[in-house]
Amino acid sequence: GAVVSQHPSRVICKSGTSVKIECRSLDFQATTMFWYRQFPKQSLMLMATSNEGSKATYEQGVEKDKFLINHASLTLSTLTVTSAHPEDSSFYICSVGAFFGQGTRLTVV
Amino acid sequence: AQSVTQLDSHVSVSEGTPVLLRCNYSSSYSPSLFWYVQHPNKGLQLLLKYTSAATLVKGINGFEAEFKKSETSFHLTKPSAHMSDAAEYFCVVSTPAAGNKLTFGGGTRVLVKP
Repeated sequence: GAVVSQHPSRVICKSGTSVKIECRSLDFQATTMFWYRQFPKQSLMLMATSNEGSKATYEQGVEKDKFLINHASLTLSTLTVTSAHPEDSSFYICSVGAFFGQGTRLTVV
Repeated sequence: AQSVTQLDSHVSVSEGTPVLLRCNYSSSYSPSLFWYVQHPNKGLQLLLKYTSAATLVKGINGFEAEFKKSETSFHLTKPSAHMSDAAEYFCVVSTPAAGNKLTFGGGTRVLVKP
């Protein structure tokens, strides 16, 4: 299966700043990647589908201007949390098909 | 539309005894089904998947699951629990009609007692 690398694994940022999370498909060219968010002790919620060379498709209720997704190559998708606030603190995970990255723990202080 | 229900939010077993995690799905089309394990602050590891081949699927770490269409179930089992099996487990469904998006169950937290 695909090997998916996500970076960073943990980040702390100040309120109002932006944070970029990278998701790389190491051994598979992925035209589509997925971004999920997970609150403590809850299941994963799909945020958006990242499409290589075109705009991401966002799930209902997800602010596209808040969570910017760029999929500029077949091996890299990035999620940028803009103007982060404490309520954006969460665990963010990407996937390529059925295979997941290690996740990023974002804490906004 | 597709959905997944994990019938138990918590399961507690003794080390060396069998583990059963229950999952029921709803799908208008032939689904692909997955079980994942997640340890604290980690990503998800794929245990096994069903994609319309054999209905009894063997996975890693001694886990297996049986697809029962008549019952719309995909329960996960392991004959003998190990302390390292303590984690969160997710049952997941996917269909081409839904763009192959993964839909997650609510999760089952497994506690293994020594």
